[in-house]
Amino acid sequence: AQTVTQSQPEMSVQEAETVTLSCTYDTSESDYYLFWYKQPPSRQMILVIRQEAYKQQNATENRFSVNFQKAAKSFSLKISDSQLGDAAMYFCAYRSAGGSEKLVFGKGTKLTVNP
Amino acid sequence: AAGVIQSPRHLIKEKRETATLKCYPIPRHDTVYWYQQGPGQDPQFLISFYEKMQSDKGSIPDRFSAQQFSDYHSELNMSSLELGDSALYFCASSSIGGGYTFGSGTRLTVV
Repeated sequence: AQTVTQSQPEMSVQEAETVTLSCTYDTSESDYYLFWYKQPPSRQMILVIRQEAYKQQNATENRFSVNFQKAAKSFSLKISDSQLGDAAMYFCAYRSAGGSEKLVFGKGTKLTVNP
Repeated sequence: AAGVIQSPRHLIKEKRETATLKCYPIPRHDTVYWYQQGPGQDPQFLISFYEKMQSDKGSIPDRFSAQQFSDYHSELNMSSLELGDSALYFCASSSIGGGYTFGSGTRLTVV
């Protein structure tokens, strides 16, 4: 079974600075998807960024980018120019490319942005 | 753009009562998923449906059942509710190879 590990229960960053959230995963599959979801206090699950395992290029969405290291099974999220609105719980998630398409989540990292 | 609609948003039930949660997926999405998120926890997969047939099953208690109807909406039925069932219940929908979209969730409180 696949597992996702987020080793940082909490992180903090100063407004306008950069922060990196860590995620590692374990799988025997070669094709899969990885995601970062943001969950603000409203509890809505918001997709931040998605990476297909077959793509070597790291995904980027505006101020959000990932460092995907397939061999190391690592998928970190970098948030640049942090804003107060980035404060939330961030979940890393794994999804198989075939068979079950359920998401397997890490335990989450609570990000605080200090003004 | 249409999103995943869940109802009700909030629900308060007493122990041993039953609850029914509803989910309306994005049009043309063929798969629906249910997740349970306890306080301070990550979401846990309960069950999924593809084209109205159960496609996968996770850690769903026997007291819970779900189905997907001909119009693709899905319902999660929970009976003999326990205090530990208090959680946020998410529905999500997807299409093959496509994105995964979550609803806003139903917050169930069992008292």
